[in-house]
Order: sequence, then C-alpha cells, then structure tokens
Amino acid sequence: NAGVIQTPRHKVTGKGQEATLWCEPISGHSAVFWYRQTIVQGLEFLTYFRNQAPIDDSGMPKERFSAQMPNQSHSTLKIQSTQPQDSAVYLCASSLRGAETLYFGSGTRLTVL
Amino acid sequence: AQSVDQPDAHVTLSEGASLELRCSYSYSAAPYLFWYVQYPGQSLQFLLKYITGDTVVKGTKGFEAEFRKSNSSFNLKKSPAHWSDSAKYFCALEGGNTNTGKLTFGDGTVLTVKP
Repeated sequence: NAGVIQTPRHKVTGKGQEATLWCEPISGHSAVFWYRQTIVQGLEFLTYFRNQAPIDDSGMPKERFSAQMPNQSHSTLKIQSTQPQDSAVYLCASSLRGAETLYFGSGTRLTVL
Repeated sequence: AQSVDQPDAHVTLSEGASLELRCSYSYSAAPYLFWYVQYPGQSLQFLLKYITGDTVVKGTKGFEAEFRKSNSSFNLKKSPAHWSDSAKYFCALEGGNTNTGKLTFGDGTVLTVKP
C-alpha cells in the first residue's frame, strides 16, 4: 500500500497561468478530499468526493477552482489564472467512508510568482 | 457553525515529562473529534478519534485523549513524552450527523520536546 500519492510535489507557476494537481487515493477508499494548508489560514477544506461523485465543494473558491474525479483511481484539482494568494500546500486525503480516518498524501506545494 | 480552538500555539517541555495539548470545540450536536500529527516536512498522520462510547480513547504512538462534554474539550495526553514527539498537532472536528469526513481543524500546537 503506497498510500495517497500526490503529484507533483512542487509546482511553480506565473501569475495567470493554470495549475493542475493530481491525486491517487488509496485503492478501495471511496471518499477523496482536498484540503489547503497555509500559514495564515491553516488547514481549509476545499472539496469532497464519494464514489467519484462530488458531494461538497463548499470550500472551493468559486471562480477559478475546479475538481474532478473521472475514475476511482485519481482526482484532479485545477486552478485557472493562478494568483499569488493561491500559494499553499494542497493536500489530498482518502478514507474508506466519510467519518473514518483520513489518510493524507504528502501534498503539492504550489508557488505562484 | 462549528469551530475548534487550540489555545496554545507552542508548547515546550523536557523529555520524560507529561504532555497535555488542549483542544476545545464549538458544535451544537454530538461531534466526532480527531487528533492528527504533522512531523516536520511530512503530511498529516492520524493519531486517534472519538466517535462515541468510552470518553478516553487511545491512539497510536502512546497517545490518548479524553472527551469532556461538560466543557467541550478533547485534550491530548502522553506520558512520558519523548523527543521524537516533537511535531505540530492538530485537533479536528466533524459534525457527527453529517458523516462526511469533512473536518474543521484547529490552528495547531507546535510541540517541542527537549532531550
């Protein structure tokens, strides 16, 4: 079991460019979550899928952020027209079901110049 | 609305001492409560959780936590502390009725254990 895999580990973009972050959840886990971690805001929930269906995206900034889960083995978080305030560590996590232990990936550190 | 408060941003103690990291929460119904740990340069790792039942829950790495409904707290404890426990600890809450896994995290407590 390789755990939750996130790629890339680091990504640097220029202001206005697009960034796509990838997550491979643990095999057999039905729930996938995206969180964002910054020094100022701490850990923030972004969005959540269960059995590939979007369940709750209440934490997603509405205009430029989108997430998909096209199959059970990966999810993507896309940020269009990146801004410096999007700089953060983006964490993906999976769990067997909702209210269970979350297994976090190592994160993708996004830096927007 | 729900929230988690970890009032101590930093805690420093000597190896062998007892540690207790404070966590209080605000939620109108029965909460699910969690502790996660983040070692330097690493991602979050699960320590323990309280869902229902026994108010003292034991987790990994020798940690335990006590759920106290009377004062809405879920403090993390370990005795004795070891230098390898130095890390950032996060308390988290999930609204128990939602069963989603959507967690509200506290700001975390940085624990430093001096050898």
